[in-house]
Amino acid sequence: AQTVTQSQPEMSVQEAETVTLSCTYDTSESNYYLFWYKQPPSRQMILVIRQEAYKQQNATENRFSVNFQKAAKSFSLKISDSQLGDTAMYFCAFMSTGTASKLTFGTGTRLQVTL
Amino acid sequence: SQTIHQWPATLVQPVGSPLSLECTVEGTSNPNLYWYRQAAGRGLQLLFYSVGIGQISSEVPQNLSASRPQDRQFILSSKKLLLSDSGFYLCAWSAGANTEAFFGQGTRLTVV
Repeated sequence: AQTVTQSQPEMSVQEAETVTLSCTYDTSESNYYLFWYKQPPSRQMILVIRQEAYKQQNATENRFSVNFQKAAKSFSLKISDSQLGDTAMYFCAFMSTGTASKLTFGTGTRLQVTL
Repeated sequence: SQTIHQWPATLVQPVGSPLSLECTVEGTSNPNLYWYRQAAGRGLQLLFYSVGIGQISSEVPQNLSASRPQDRQFILSSKKLLLSDSGFYLCAWSAGANTEAFFGQGTRLTVV
Protein backbone atom coordinates (compact mmCIF):
# COMPACT_ATOMS: atom_id res chain seq x y z
CA ALA A 1 0.00 0.00 0.00
CA GLN A 2 1.15 3.49 -0.78
CA THR A 3 1.68 6.01 1.97
CA VAL A 4 2.41 9.72 1.77
CA THR A 5 4.09 11.57 4.62
CA GLN A 6 4.27 15.30 5.21
CA SER A 7 6.34 15.88 8.32
CA GLN A 8 5.75 19.62 8.63
CA PRO A 9 2.28 20.35 10.05
CA GLU A 10 2.79 24.11 9.89
CA MET A 11 5.21 26.51 8.26
CA SER A 12 5.55 30.24 8.01
CA VAL A 13 7.33 32.40 5.45
CA GLN A 14 7.63 36.10 4.88
CA GLU A 15 6.28 37.66 1.76
CA ALA A 16 8.74 37.53 -1.18
CA GLU A 17 10.81 34.82 0.50
CA THR A 18 11.21 31.20 -0.57
CA VAL A 19 9.85 28.20 1.30
CA THR A 20 10.15 24.46 0.77
CA LEU A 21 7.52 21.96 1.82
CA SER A 22 8.59 18.36 2.31
CA CYS A 23 6.90 15.17 1.19
CA THR A 24 8.03 11.56 1.21
CA TYR A 25 6.16 8.54 -0.03
CA ASP A 26 6.42 4.80 0.01
CA THR A 27 5.52 2.55 -2.90
CA SER A 28 6.67 -0.59 -4.63
CA GLU A 29 5.56 0.69 -8.03
CA SER A 30 8.03 2.05 -10.55
CA ASN A 31 5.65 4.27 -12.46
CA TYR A 32 3.29 6.70 -10.78
CA TYR A 33 2.33 10.33 -10.52
CA LEU A 34 2.85 12.86 -7.78
CA PHE A 35 0.91 16.04 -7.16
CA TRP A 36 0.82 19.06 -4.91
CA TYR A 37 -2.59 20.51 -4.16
CA LYS A 38 -3.43 23.74 -2.42
CA GLN A 39 -6.49 24.22 -0.22
CA PRO A 40 -7.13 27.88 0.64
CA PRO A 41 -9.64 28.89 3.34
CA SER A 42 -12.44 28.42 0.80
CA ARG A 43 -11.56 24.68 1.04
CA GLN A 44 -11.56 24.30 -2.73
CA MET A 45 -8.80 21.89 -3.75
CA ILE A 46 -6.56 23.40 -6.42
CA LEU A 47 -3.85 21.57 -8.32
CA VAL A 48 -0.51 23.32 -8.00
CA ILE A 49 1.87 21.04 -9.86
CA ARG A 50 2.28 17.46 -11.05
CA GLN A 51 5.24 15.18 -11.68
CA GLU A 52 5.44 11.94 -13.64
CA ALA A 53 7.75 9.44 -12.00
CA TYR A 54 9.34 8.41 -15.29
CA LYS A 55 10.47 11.98 -15.97
CA GLN A 56 13.76 12.95 -14.40
CA GLN A 57 13.26 16.64 -15.02
CA ASN A 58 11.66 18.48 -12.13
CA ALA A 59 8.32 20.09 -12.90
CA THR A 60 7.91 23.86 -12.64
CA GLU A 61 4.86 26.11 -12.77
CA ASN A 62 5.70 29.79 -12.49
CA ARG A 63 6.77 30.36 -8.87
CA PHE A 64 6.24 26.71 -7.94
CA SER A 65 8.79 23.99 -8.54
CA VAL A 66 9.48 20.53 -7.21
CA ASN A 67 12.57 18.59 -6.23
CA PHE A 68 11.78 15.01 -7.18
CA GLN A 69 14.23 12.42 -5.86
CA LYS A 70 12.88 9.06 -7.03
CA ALA A 71 15.46 6.90 -5.30
CA ALA A 72 14.85 8.67 -2.01
CA LYS A 73 11.09 8.75 -2.64
CA SER A 74 11.05 12.44 -1.92
CA PHE A 75 8.92 15.12 -3.57
CA SER A 76 9.32 18.59 -2.10
CA LEU A 77 7.60 21.78 -3.24
CA LYS A 78 9.44 25.07 -3.46
CA ILE A 79 7.49 28.30 -3.53
CA SER A 80 9.52 31.29 -4.66
CA ASP A 81 8.61 34.92 -4.11
CA SER A 82 5.87 33.93 -1.66
CA GLN A 83 2.67 35.93 -1.82
CA LEU A 84 -0.08 36.45 0.73
CA GLY A 85 -2.39 34.49 -1.53
CA ASP A 86 -0.20 31.44 -1.09
CA THR A 87 -1.49 31.06 2.46
CA ALA A 88 -3.25 27.70 2.46
CA MET A 89 -3.01 24.03 3.32
CA TYR A 90 -0.74 22.17 0.93
CA PHE A 91 -1.22 18.48 0.26
CA CYS A 92 1.14 16.08 -1.41
CA ALA A 93 -0.57 13.25 -3.28
CA PHE A 94 0.38 9.99 -4.97
CA MET A 95 -1.47 8.27 -7.78
CA SER A 96 -0.77 4.75 -8.91
CA THR A 97 -0.87 4.08 -12.63
CA GLY A 98 -2.38 0.66 -12.44
CA THR A 99 -6.07 -0.08 -12.88
CA ALA A 100 -6.65 0.89 -9.27
CA SER A 101 -5.83 4.54 -9.95
CA LYS A 102 -5.92 5.24 -6.26
CA LEU A 103 -5.08 8.79 -5.22
CA THR A 104 -3.57 9.01 -1.75
CA PHE A 105 -2.92 12.24 0.13
CA GLY A 106 -0.57 13.25 2.89
CA THR A 107 -1.78 14.95 6.05
CA GLY A 108 -0.96 18.41 4.75
CA THR A 109 1.19 21.39 5.68
CA ARG A 110 -0.43 24.64 6.73
CA LEU A 111 1.54 27.50 5.18
CA GLN A 112 1.18 31.03 6.49
CA VAL A 113 2.66 33.87 4.45
CA THR A 114 3.30 36.95 6.56
CA LEU A 115 4.13 40.57 5.80
CA SER B 1 -15.33 21.46 -20.53
CA GLN B 2 -15.63 19.13 -17.59
CA THR B 3 -17.39 20.12 -14.40
CA ILE B 4 -18.12 18.38 -11.15
CA HIS B 5 -21.15 19.05 -9.01
CA GLN B 6 -21.43 18.06 -5.39
CA TRP B 7 -24.37 18.73 -3.13
CA PRO B 8 -25.50 19.79 -0.66
CA ALA B 9 -22.85 22.30 0.43
CA THR B 10 -23.78 22.00 4.10
CA LEU B 11 -25.84 19.50 6.00
CA VAL B 12 -26.84 19.10 9.62
CA GLN B 13 -28.24 15.70 10.49
CA PRO B 14 -29.24 14.02 13.76
CA VAL B 15 -27.49 10.92 14.97
CA GLY B 16 -29.12 7.82 13.57
CA SER B 17 -30.53 9.49 10.49
CA PRO B 18 -29.65 8.37 6.94
CA LEU B 19 -27.28 10.19 4.62
CA SER B 20 -27.05 10.64 0.89
CA LEU B 21 -24.45 12.86 -0.74
CA GLU B 22 -24.42 13.07 -4.49
CA CYS B 23 -21.69 13.89 -6.94
CA THR B 24 -22.01 14.15 -10.71
CA VAL B 25 -19.49 14.88 -13.41
CA GLU B 26 -20.23 16.47 -16.75
CA GLY B 27 -18.24 16.63 -19.96
CA THR B 28 -16.37 13.35 -19.69
CA SER B 29 -17.03 9.64 -19.79
CA ASN B 30 -15.84 6.74 -17.65
CA PRO B 31 -14.10 8.92 -15.08
CA ASN B 32 -12.41 7.60 -11.98
CA LEU B 33 -14.42 8.84 -9.03
CA TYR B 34 -13.38 9.39 -5.42
CA TRP B 35 -14.91 10.22 -2.05
CA TYR B 36 -12.69 11.76 0.61
CA ARG B 37 -13.33 12.91 4.16
CA GLN B 38 -11.40 15.70 5.79
CA ALA B 39 -11.65 16.12 9.55
CA ALA B 40 -11.11 19.64 10.89
CA GLY B 41 -7.53 20.73 10.24
CA ARG B 42 -6.56 17.31 8.99
CA GLY B 43 -5.63 15.62 5.75
CA LEU B 44 -7.81 13.90 3.21
CA GLN B 45 -8.79 10.36 4.00
CA LEU B 46 -9.75 8.29 0.97
CA LEU B 47 -13.07 6.58 1.65
CA PHE B 48 -14.07 5.06 -1.68
CA TYR B 49 -12.96 5.10 -5.27
CA SER B 50 -14.47 3.74 -8.44
CA VAL B 51 -13.02 3.04 -11.87
CA GLY B 52 -16.35 2.10 -13.46
CA ILE B 53 -20.07 1.56 -12.97
CA GLY B 54 -20.72 -0.79 -10.10
CA GLN B 55 -17.01 -1.01 -9.24
CA ILE B 56 -16.42 0.38 -5.78
CA SER B 57 -13.29 0.00 -3.71
CA SER B 58 -13.53 0.73 -0.01
CA GLU B 59 -10.49 2.00 1.81
CA VAL B 60 -11.63 2.05 5.41
CA PRO B 61 -14.30 -0.05 7.11
CA GLN B 62 -16.85 2.34 8.51
CA ASN B 63 -20.43 3.40 8.72
CA LEU B 64 -20.54 4.61 5.11
CA SER B 65 -21.11 3.05 1.71
CA ALA B 66 -20.79 4.26 -1.85
CA SER B 67 -22.55 3.47 -5.09
CA ARG B 68 -22.09 4.35 -8.73
CA PRO B 69 -25.46 3.79 -10.42
CA GLN B 70 -24.46 5.69 -13.55
CA ASP B 71 -21.15 6.38 -15.28
CA ARG B 72 -20.84 9.93 -13.96
CA GLN B 73 -22.73 9.67 -10.70
CA PHE B 74 -21.18 8.78 -7.36
CA ILE B 75 -23.23 8.58 -4.18
CA LEU B 76 -22.07 8.41 -0.58
CA SER B 77 -24.59 6.93 1.84
CA SER B 78 -25.17 5.89 5.38
CA LYS B 79 -28.13 4.13 6.96
CA LYS B 80 -27.51 5.56 10.42
CA LEU B 81 -25.15 8.47 11.02
CA LEU B 82 -22.77 8.59 13.96
CA LEU B 83 -21.30 11.67 15.60
CA SER B 84 -17.92 10.61 14.25
CA ASP B 85 -19.22 10.92 10.68
CA SER B 86 -19.05 14.70 10.96
CA GLY B 87 -16.54 16.26 8.63
CA PHE B 88 -15.91 17.79 5.26
CA TYR B 89 -16.62 15.43 2.38
CA LEU B 90 -15.04 15.91 -0.99
CA CYS B 91 -15.86 14.24 -4.27
CA ALA B 92 -13.28 14.16 -7.04
CA TRP B 93 -12.82 12.78 -10.52
CA SER B 94 -9.91 12.02 -12.78
CA ALA B 95 -9.71 11.00 -16.42
CA GLY B 96 -7.47 8.08 -15.67
CA ALA B 97 -4.35 6.90 -13.96
CA ASN B 98 -2.14 9.52 -15.55
CA THR B 99 -4.07 12.67 -14.85
CA GLU B 100 -4.75 14.87 -11.88
CA ALA B 101 -7.98 14.79 -9.91
CA PHE B 102 -10.50 17.61 -9.93
CA PHE B 103 -12.54 18.30 -6.85
CA GLY B 104 -16.05 19.37 -6.07
CA GLN B 105 -16.84 22.19 -3.67
CA GLY B 106 -17.28 19.81 -0.76
CA THR B 107 -20.06 19.11 1.76
CA ARG B 108 -19.73 20.12 5.37
CA LEU B 109 -21.61 17.49 7.36
CA THR B 110 -22.42 18.04 11.01
CA VAL B 111 -24.00 15.20 12.91
CA VAL B 112 -25.74 16.38 16.07
